[in-house]
Amino acid sequence: AQTVTQSQPEMSVQEAETVTLSCTYDTSESDYYLFWYKQPPSRQMILVIRQEAYKQQNATENRFSVNFQKAAKSFSLKISDSQLGDAAMYFCAYRRGKLVFGAGTILRVKS
Amino acid sequence: SQTIHQWPATLVQPVGSPLSLECTVEGTSNPNLYWYRQAAGRGLQLLFYSVGIGQISSEVPQNLSASRPQDRQFILSSKKLLLSDSGFYLCAWTPGGKQRTEAFFGQGTRLTVV
Repeated sequence: AQTVTQSQPEMSVQEAETVTLSCTYDTSESDYYLFWYKQPPSRQMILVIRQEAYKQQNATENRFSVNFQKAAKSFSLKISDSQLGDAAMYFCAYRRGKLVFGAGTILRVKS
Repeated sequence: SQTIHQWPATLVQPVGSPLSLECTVEGTSNPNLYWYRQAAGRGLQLLFYSVGIGQISSEVPQNLSASRPQDRQFILSSKKLLLSDSGFYLCAWTPGGKQRTEAFFGQGTRLTVV
């Protein structure tokens, strides 16, 4: 079964600085999709970024980018120029068929 | 456009009482449907996954069951709630067969078993 591991329960970053959230996954498949979701205190689930496994180029969305290492089964999220509104729980997710989530990382942003 | 409805938003139930949470999707057909549970400050645990009417995969042995009586309706049930069933329940859907597309989530149900 596919598993997703987020080894950082909590992270802190100073406003305007850069932070990287880690994610590893386990799969025997070669074609799949990876996602990062943000969950603010409202508990709404917001898609941050997606990555197709067949694409070597790392996905970017404004201040958010990923470092996708397929052989290492690693999918980290980098947030640049952190803002107070980035404070939330962040989930890494894997999808081939069903969508499986990691345990999440709480990100705190200090002003 | 597609929308997802989940209700109720909050629920307080006594131990041993039954449970029924409902989720419906509009604007699409043959969606994949999901039920997740999130304990306080914790991750999303996949409870049930369905690719079609009557086709439900149970991911975690538990006190809960799910049914899909119609293409766009997904119901989470329990005959007798336990204290450990408390949590935040999220329904979600993804387009059937389109792996690239992300999941779309309902607003969630906060269940407290007392």
